[in-house]
Amino acid sequence: NAGVTQTPKFQVLKTGQSMTLQCAQDMNHNSMYWYRQDPGMGLRLIYYSASEGTTDKGEVPNGYNVSRLNKREFSLRLESAAPSQTSVYFCASWVSGRGTDTQYFGPGTRLTVL
Amino acid sequence: GENVEQHPSTLSVQEGDSAVIKCTYSDSASNYFPWYKQELGKRPQLIIDIRSNVGEKKDQRIAVTLNKTAKHFSLHITETQPEDSAVYFCAARDTGRRALTFGSGTRLQVQP
Repeated sequence: NAGVTQTPKFQVLKTGQSMTLQCAQDMNHNSMYWYRQDPGMGLRLIYYSASEGTTDKGEVPNGYNVSRLNKREFSLRLESAAPSQTSVYFCASWVSGRGTDTQYFGPGTRLTVL
Repeated sequence: GENVEQHPSTLSVQEGDSAVIKCTYSDSASNYFPWYKQELGKRPQLIIDIRSNVGEKKDQRIAVTLNKTAKHFSLHITETQPEDSAVYFCAARDTGRRALTFGSGTRLQVQP
């Protein structure tokens, strides 16, 4: 049981390049999330998927797209990277119900856009 | 949507002292309030949480209190140890988005 996994761990892009951040969870959770973390600003929600086949915008969706490929996988795509997207990106999944209500985070992807 | 404010941004205590971190939230419908600890370069880890039907919850040296009327909740760490040094985040569940809204974090440093 690996929990929530993310790839890659580190990435350096040039302005204008595109890339996809991958996230997978093996806990059979319905809900998955993408956050970005900037110094001094906590974690801000980019997009989330309440269930397979649905996606919704969070607090800071501009410049990103997402795909909920199946129940396990939720990817985040930067179509044209900008320096303002330099950040640490965390994927998370959520289990709720039967007295349990917990969000689990992946290890993060550290992205630098030059 | 939900808005969560967290204070203080930094907190330095002596080993053995208590530490208190406070958060306020805006959405009166929020019903779940977790606290996360994040060590340098690591992912946030859940340390304790509380639901809106409970006023206080304790787990060994850490406790959380919730005042629904005032819309604020607090983390209390007693008998602090150097390994408690980390960034702590409060959060509230945004009932609209079914997601967590986080505070901006508190960097706790425990001086040995």
